[in-house]
Amino acid sequence: GQQVMQIPQYQHVQEGEDFTTYCNSSTTLSNIQWYKQRPGGHPVFLIQLVKSGEVKKQKRLTFQFGEAKKNSSLHITATQTTDVGTYFCAGRRDSSYKLIFGSGTRLLVRP
Amino acid sequence: NAGVTQTPKFQVLKTGQSMTLQCAQDMNHEYMSWYRQDPGMGLRLIHYSVGAGITDQGEVPNGYNVSRSTTEDFPLRLLSAAPSQTSVYFCASNRQQNGEQYFGPGTRLTVT
Repeated sequence: GQQVMQIPQYQHVQEGEDFTTYCNSSTTLSNIQWYKQRPGGHPVFLIQLVKSGEVKKQKRLTFQFGEAKKNSSLHITATQTTDVGTYFCAGRRDSSYKLIFGSGTRLLVRP
Repeated sequence: NAGVTQTPKFQVLKTGQSMTLQCAQDMNHEYMSWYRQDPGMGLRLIHYSVGAGITDQGEVPNGYNVSRSTTEDFPLRLLSAAPSQTSVYFCASNRQQNGEQYFGPGTRLTVT
């Protein structure tokens, strides 16, 4: 079945350092979403990417969707302690409602 | 708007017991889903609904039932609880089929 792999599993950075998480699918995706989950909380939607090669920015966060629509990345510039949490990618295949989540990358930030 | 609400927040069951996890949304969303979250495995789709009266299976449906009699409510029933069903359960809703999902606060279930 469709799988979405996400790496790394954990990342521990010093405040001010950059952070990147990568998402890879075994099949072509129609779109990909990114969510953030704070410790003890629920996933919160960050962004959706639809087009091949798409790049979107939200302040210090940059999201990319690969040309083949099989991979995606989230890059955070100059991390802050408020960035702590687990970041999930989630993808859909064409015409499918089902959202397949990656296993998540847990970000810890040392102040 | 309360968004997506879930009850209870915590529940402990003994093996073989049954129970219903409640989920409600007040955003008039057609689409609703149930996920379970286990350490290191992300969120896995259990069942989903594309409108009142319509439900379908996700990745891990065994041991769970759902129904959707109204747009607002989407309860998840555990028929005979097993320790493997110890998890955190999230309900989510979305307005459009491919749209962002709004998650409830979750129910932490332990089966002993």
